[in-house]
Amino acid sequence: AQSVTQPDARVTVSEGASLQLRCKYSSSVTPYLFWYVQYPRQGLQLLLKYYSGDPVVQGVNGFEAEFSKSNSSFHLRKASVHWSDSAVYFCAVGGPLGKLIFGQGTKLSIKP
Amino acid sequence: EAAVTQSPRSKVAVTGGKVTLSCHQTNNHDYMYWYRQDTGHGLRLIHYSYVADSTEKGDIPDGYKASRPSQENFSLILELASLSQTAVYFCASSDSGVAEQFFGPGTRLTVL
Repeated sequence: AQSVTQPDARVTVSEGASLQLRCKYSSSVTPYLFWYVQYPRQGLQLLLKYYSGDPVVQGVNGFEAEFSKSNSSFHLRKASVHWSDSAVYFCAVGGPLGKLIFGQGTKLSIKP
Repeated sequence: EAAVTQSPRSKVAVTGGKVTLSCHQTNNHDYMYWYRQDTGHGLRLIHYSYVADSTEKGDIPDGYKASRPSQENFSLILELASLSQTAVYFCASSDSGVAEQFFGPGTRLTVL
């Protein structure tokens, strides 16, 4: 069975600082992986996705993620965060027929 | 632009009553999904469909039914609403079993 773990429920960083949000997955096959962002009172929006190939994938708004098969990880990074990045971030692994398994989410807060 | 809409956006229901949540997509997508989100948690799949007039059980289908009368519409039905079904419900669509999912804005359901 597939599963996703986001070990950090909350992360706080200063505006302009770099960011890493952690995601660990479990899958018997090479998975396809997603990062979604949820702003308050809104639905989820896709940040980036990984299917195969280059392990570093670029997303919207300066986000990138790196897939590591050896570490079973798909961490999200951003070089310099902005106050508007405050949101909840979800890592998800894709299963058969598009069924997504989500992590518990990481709430990101930005200090001015 | 692709769009997934949900109605109602918010609903208060009584225990034991019937609740129907509706989802409409203009993406021309074959796949549609219903998830629930509980406070502080990720999303969990309730039902999904990959063709009109057919639905499949997700990971937590107990207490829920689904209906897909057309490609564009996908409903979630709670025949006998219970307190434990208080949550935010999200609908999503995708054009294949591996593509990204586009999410609606969510329906906040409170069962009293």
